[in-house]
Amino acid sequence: NAGVTQTPKFQVLKTGQSMTLQCAQDMNHEYMSWYRQDPGMGLRLIHYSVGAGITDQGEVPNGYNVSRSTTEDFPLRLLSAAPSQTSVYFCASSQKLQGYEQYFGPGTRLTVT
Amino acid sequence: GEDVEQSLFLSVREGDSSVINCTYTDSSSTYLYWYKQEPGAGLQLLTYIFSNMDMKQDQRLTVLLNKKDKHLSLRIADTQTGDSAIYFCAESRNTGRRALTFGSGTRLQVQP
Repeated sequence: NAGVTQTPKFQVLKTGQSMTLQCAQDMNHEYMSWYRQDPGMGLRLIHYSVGAGITDQGEVPNGYNVSRSTTEDFPLRLLSAAPSQTSVYFCASSQKLQGYEQYFGPGTRLTVT
Repeated sequence: GEDVEQSLFLSVREGDSSVINCTYTDSSSTYLYWYKQEPGAGLQLLTYIFSNMDMKQDQRLTVLLNKKDKHLSLRIADTQTGDSAIYFCAESRNTGRRALTFGSGTRLQVQP
């Protein structure tokens, strides 16, 4: 198993550009989520999904879209990048929502200039 | 991470014990977790404790849970330089849509 994979590892965008961060897992996990990590703020939940076709907002969803067309993939789209979106983004998956280990990807470091 | 609080930094000498503390506010928390993040890497689950337990020991790691005070601690015995990392406390709740609520992380620095 590859676990949770994320691409790209690093990305630099100009303000106003759009892009998609990719996340995939090969563990047949139902639950997938996206977090952003900023210094001194821990990890904040952006969006999550409890299964294919089902997504919902986390605590900081503005400026991001997600979709879950398959169990394996959960891409995160930045619609119009802003400097405030400069962060490290982590994708995570677990078997179900509650009570199961969350497996994290290696992260994508995004800089918006 | 405002519902889960941790101190930001801890420095210890190699061979000493480290104790990282965490407080949380939601009494409905079911599981409490400790994750480790090494530089440039994702988060790795170290250990977890179910809310009806007081203590869990796993090799060099001891987790203590005081449910009355909503206080969780992670003790690392015989701390090594390889233990230098950021340690995140996280809670899982019975209700709501978040799988995990994280603290802001404690940076552990181990001096040789």
